[in-house]
Amino acid sequence: DAGITQSPRHKVTETGTPVTLRCHQTENHRYMYWYRQDPGHGLRLIHYSYGVKDTDKGEVSDGYSVSRSKTEDFLLTLESATSSQTSVYFCAISESTVPTGELFFGEGSRLTVL
Amino acid sequence: AQRVTQPEKLLSVFKGAPVELKCNYSYSGSPELFWYVQYSRQRLQLLLRHISRESIKGFTADLNKGETSFHLKKPFAQEEDSAMYYCALRGYGGATNKLIFGTGTLLAVQP
Repeated sequence: DAGITQSPRHKVTETGTPVTLRCHQTENHRYMYWYRQDPGHGLRLIHYSYGVKDTDKGEVSDGYSVSRSKTEDFLLTLESATSSQTSVYFCAISESTVPTGELFFGEGSRLTVL
Repeated sequence: AQRVTQPEKLLSVFKGAPVELKCNYSYSGSPELFWYVQYSRQRLQLLLRHISRESIKGFTADLNKGETSFHLKKPFAQEEDSAMYYCALRGYGGATNKLIFGTGTLLAVQP
């Protein structure tokens, strides 16, 4: 499982509340990614990180922010959750220092915004 | 624009039948293509990549630059092949593993 854990695994929240999802890795891999998975859209990249305090936007970054203050943790924050952010969120890492296209995924965090 | 298209949401076949999961891409440069698979209650994982030219679990995929396709094929489907399959793309030699995924095809292999 490449030592990736996501928390919480399931969360139900109300519109307008802040939500933070955590991705934790047990290795010192440089690259970490947040994707969301939605029917009819597949997986879409939200944000990614290439090192501590180095992050960049993906294709669907609006409404999301991220932080990486430690190598092992990559946090995804919804400042004010909306129903359109109901989704399954996947964290992924790259194990290789040379990008090969292989990502290792977490188990996912299912978020429901009412 | 970079895009990956998987035209079939669902592909249902009988055990022993051939399988072809379609993937077409749009990319201005030289792409690297991948197939990822998600079995029920398991994590999404890499199945194969075009650069490796390998066969994994009996699946193969050939990059056809003329048709901008990377279809996944298997001559004889097995029930354990039932899963969600995603085609993914990144720029060749890219500095990151930023992948663009298709919408996925659910393969259902009937007994």
